[in-house]
Amino acid sequence: DAGVIQSPRHEVTEMGQEVTLRCKPISGHDYLFWYRQTMMRGLELLIYFNNNVPIDDSGMPEDRFSAKMPNASFSTLKIQPSEPRDSAVYFCASSSRRQYSPLHFGNGTRLTVT
Amino acid sequence: SQQGEEDPQALSIQEGENATMNCSYKTSINNLQWYRQNSGRGLVHLILIRSNEREKHSGRLRVTLDTSKKSSSLLITASRAADTASYFCATGNQAGTALIFGKGTTLSVSS
Repeated sequence: DAGVIQSPRHEVTEMGQEVTLRCKPISGHDYLFWYRQTMMRGLELLIYFNNNVPIDDSGMPEDRFSAKMPNASFSTLKIQPSEPRDSAVYFCASSSRRQYSPLHFGNGTRLTVT
Repeated sequence: SQQGEEDPQALSIQEGENATMNCSYKTSINNLQWYRQNSGRGLVHLILIRSNEREKHSGRLRVTLDTSKKSSSLLITASRAADTASYFCATGNQAGTALIFGKGTTLSVSS
């Protein structure tokens, strides 16, 4: 199993540009989570999906952020327009349907907005 | 919002020593999980302890849970340089459907 795959690993963009982060969860996992990590705020849960359906997006900071999961093997997190304060490491994680399942994290996308 | 808070924020020890990290949380839980994060990598699940368990072992890891004090501790025995990483505790959100992480303890083990 290749684990959770995120792309790109690094993204540098200018303020105002659109940014799209991608995630491929582990096959067979029913839950997909997007987290953001910064030194100041630690790991923040942005949104999560169950069987491709968004369940809780209360952590999405603003309307500039959107996430989709068109099928069980792919999810995107989009920021439009991007701002310098969006600079962070964005993690995708997936888990199975079993109760108390641990999360499997990708290696993250480091986003820098200048 | 953070559910778990780790203490200390940073810990430096010598190889062979034991490392203890603590986690406090606010609301009732079904389980508490510990994760490790190496620099530049994603988090890796270490161990899960259920609310009806008081202690759990996995190799050199020992986790305790005190639900009356809403606290947990992670003990790494006979630490190695490879244990250098950040360690996070995580508990469920109010709906019990997603994990909320603390800010972590950064452990540095020198040889």
